[in-house]
Amino acid sequence: AQSVTQPDIHITVSEGASLELRCNYSYGATPYLFWYVQSPGQGLQLLLKYFSGDTLVQGIKGFEAEFKRSQSSFNLRKPSVHWSDAAEYFCAVGDGGSQGNLIFGKGTKLSVKP
Amino acid sequence: DAGVIQSPRHEVTEMGQEVTLRCKPISGHNSLFWYRQTMMRGLELLIYFNNNVPIDDSGMPEDRFSAKMPNASFSTLKIQPSEPRDSAVYFCASSRTSSVETQYFGPGTRLLVL
Repeated sequence: AQSVTQPDIHITVSEGASLELRCNYSYGATPYLFWYVQSPGQGLQLLLKYFSGDTLVQGIKGFEAEFKRSQSSFNLRKPSVHWSDAAEYFCAVGDGGSQGNLIFGKGTKLSVKP
Repeated sequence: DAGVIQSPRHEVTEMGQEVTLRCKPISGHNSLFWYRQTMMRGLELLIYFNNNVPIDDSGMPEDRFSAKMPNASFSTLKIQPSEPRDSAVYFCASSRTSSVETQYFGPGTRLLVL
């Protein structure tokens, strides 16, 4: 069965510092991978997704993620964090079949200090 | 487009009462998903519909929970009778097709059962 692991529950970075949020998945075939962001009191918003092709995908708000099949990872990165990036980030995997279902990780909460 | 609309945004009720959550998906989207989010369990898929038909309800916790989608523009999630452990944020999401596609989330309904 598919699964998603986000090893870090909470990360704190300084404003302007670089960021990497980890995501590992378990899936037999080529996965469909997503990163969503949830600001406090809000729903989830898509940051970026990977279906096929170039393994480095660009998203909104300056985020990018790299799909590494050998490591079963899809880590999210940003070169310089802004205070407004403080939120919770969710990695998700879909099976690409007819089900349309997504399996979400537990999330990583990002705090940004001045 | 107005995005996914959920109502009410907040609901406080007493144990034993019936609770009905409502969702209007994005126009033209064929799939609709109901999620529950809690601190302990994270984001859980409860049920999803494709073309108004329930496809997978294995995530519905128990018989107290039921969901309907009478037409392409409206869905309800009902809890009867409600219990304190049902307190959570309930999200509705929609996507274009039944295969894996970006899911667009509503703002959620924060439910508190006393």
